[in-house]
Order: sequence, then structure tokens, then C-alpha cells
Amino acid sequence: EAGVAQSPRYKIIEKRQSVAFWCNPISGHATLYWYQQILGQGPKLLIQFQNNGVVDDSQLPKDRFSAERLKGVDSTLKIQPAKLEDSAVYLCASPREGGLRTGELFFGEGSRLTVL
Amino acid sequence: AQSVSQHNHHVILSEAASLELGCNYSYGGTVNLFWYVQYPGQHLQLLLKYFSGDPLVKGIKGFEAEFIKSKFSFNLRKPSVQWSDTAEYFCAVMNTGGFKTIFGAGTRLFVKA
Repeated sequence: EAGVAQSPRYKIIEKRQSVAFWCNPISGHATLYWYQQILGQGPKLLIQFQNNGVVDDSQLPKDRFSAERLKGVDSTLKIQPAKLEDSAVYLCASPREGGLRTGELFFGEGSRLTVL
Repeated sequence: AQSVSQHNHHVILSEAASLELGCNYSYGGTVNLFWYVQYPGQHLQLLLKYFSGDPLVKGIKGFEAEFIKSKFSFNLRKPSVQWSDTAEYFCAVMNTGGFKTIFGAGTRLFVKA
């Protein structure tokens, strides 16, 4: 099965600018997660989608972050305006097929954001 | 709230040394447990997992982990590390009711050749 695709791999912006990240999860998988991984920390869940509906966005800073998953396939994560503390790797993940209830995840390579 | 604690942030070992990385979690219900590994320049990938049954689970590349329910622990072990094991290791927990996977802060392992 194809993996989780993410773009761009790297992005450098200045604070107060906006940025968007794109994810295409494993084909046919209904569940999609966005995680934020700050240097020296473990991945932190930002939002969980089931098809095009949000299951959990309790950790998403909604004043500046937004995410959508139109048509239940691709997803975009947007930050506007960006702050210095948003510098991190943004990871998209799909559960292993049949693995929604196990928590086992496939990760994309991530999008590394640097905010200057 | 669910949380995961990894005891060591950085570990340096010589080749052939034994490895044990500690992981404790806080959650009172039923959990699934994981160790993920991130090799330099690569994405996170699953090393091993525990869902139920034998609390001693074996993963890829000679790694194993033991689930001790009474201690809320899931420590990772390898009898003899290799230079190629240099990577960052993350313990993760999912409560089976919420399907939300929480990660520890990670342990960065460096193996000297």
C-alpha cells in the first residue's frame, strides 16, 4: 500500500505570515491525524479526522490553526498568523488498515516549519 | 488525563552493550502500547506493539518490550546494540476507548562504533 504523502517538506516563513501543509493519507483510510513535533519533544496530537468530520481537536490552537479534510481524502493544516513557537515538524498519520482500534500508525515524512 | 513519561532523554552506549529504555504511562483503563523509532532523516516507524496476551513482546531488529500492568510500564530492551540502532525512540499509548495515541518525549540513543 502507498504511504502517507506530505508537502512541502520544508518551509521557512517570518512570524505573522501564513502557511499551509498538505497531507494525502493511505488510500481508503477514513482516519487521519495531524501531530506537531517540536524539537526535543514527542509528537503532540493536534486534530483527528474521521472521513471529513473532526473527532478530536481539543489540542488545536484554534485562534491561529485550522484544518480541513474536504471529501474525506486529502487534508490541509493552516497556520495564520504564525508565531515563533510554531516552529516544529508537522506530521500526518493514518492508522494501519483495520488498525483504527489499535492505535498503530503510519506516518508521513513530515513538514518542517521554521518561523523567523 | 493520559500521559507518557520516558525516563532518559539521551543515552550513549558502545556497540554490544545492553539497552533498556524506560516508559511509564498514566491511564487507568485498558491501553495499547507501542514503541516507535525514528532513524536519522527518516520518518517515524513502528518498532513493536502490545495489545493483549503475553506481556513480553518482540519487535524488529532484536528489540523487545515488557508490559508490567502493576507498574504502568512498558520498557524497551535489546541485549546487544549496534551502531545502526542510533535513533530516537518514542513510547506511545492509546486508550482503547478513545483511539487517541499519546507519545512520550522520546529518548535519543547514540551508539558508538
